[in-house]
Amino acid sequence: DTAVSQTPKYLVTQMGNDKSIKCEQNLGHDTMYWYKQDSKKFLKIMFSYNNKELIINETVPNRFSPKSPDKAHLNLHINSLELGDSAVYFCASSRVGTVWGYTFGSGTRLTVV
Amino acid sequence: GENVEQHPSTLSVQEGDSAVIKCTYSDSASNYFPWYKQELGKGPQLIIDIRSNVGEKKDQRIAVTLNKTAKHFSLHITETQPEDSAVYFCAALVNYGGSQGNLIFGKGTKLSVKP
Repeated sequence: DTAVSQTPKYLVTQMGNDKSIKCEQNLGHDTMYWYKQDSKKFLKIMFSYNNKELIINETVPNRFSPKSPDKAHLNLHINSLELGDSAVYFCASSRVGTVWGYTFGSGTRLTVV
Repeated sequence: GENVEQHPSTLSVQEGDSAVIKCTYSDSASNYFPWYKQELGKGPQLIIDIRSNVGEKKDQRIAVTLNKTAKHFSLHITETQPEDSAVYFCAALVNYGGSQGNLIFGKGTKLSVKP
């Protein structure tokens, strides 16, 4: 009955690889987000997406791309992984017009070696 | 764009004391200010929030105050307990025209409550 679930919880991979992190929400929300949390705990928005628009933080490298097969899923694809991509990635969701109820997943710790 | 500053970055208190965390924001159009608690190995969880038409909100031991004129808001935790130890984040909502908005977070405060 998890509200926002991410898989995998841990991901260790080599530089240059391509990987994906999956996110699913069962709250009936229509907007989903990806945040990156670095080693200093700073939470930085990467993408927000609903069925009408994708908003991209301009500082996010184009190696990162969100893919949404349906309203309940927003997966994060990362190409050509770099050491600096190591971080914890959080998925979140909310309902348009009611940002309260902004629910986070438990995070995916990505380690690039 | 919106910038949210949060202070202090670390805070240590004795059990039973009060803790106060302060945030400022830059975009006067921001109208929603939540606070999140993040425990080790978990995602941030909403603990309290306040809208711009309200000056103060309280929920048991936690309260939030908002000063729109000065563009700052604060989290107050009274009678702190060891289980309050966590990283706390403030945030401000930025709207992008339409109905979609993003939360911009402060850099977090690591609160330690000593028994």
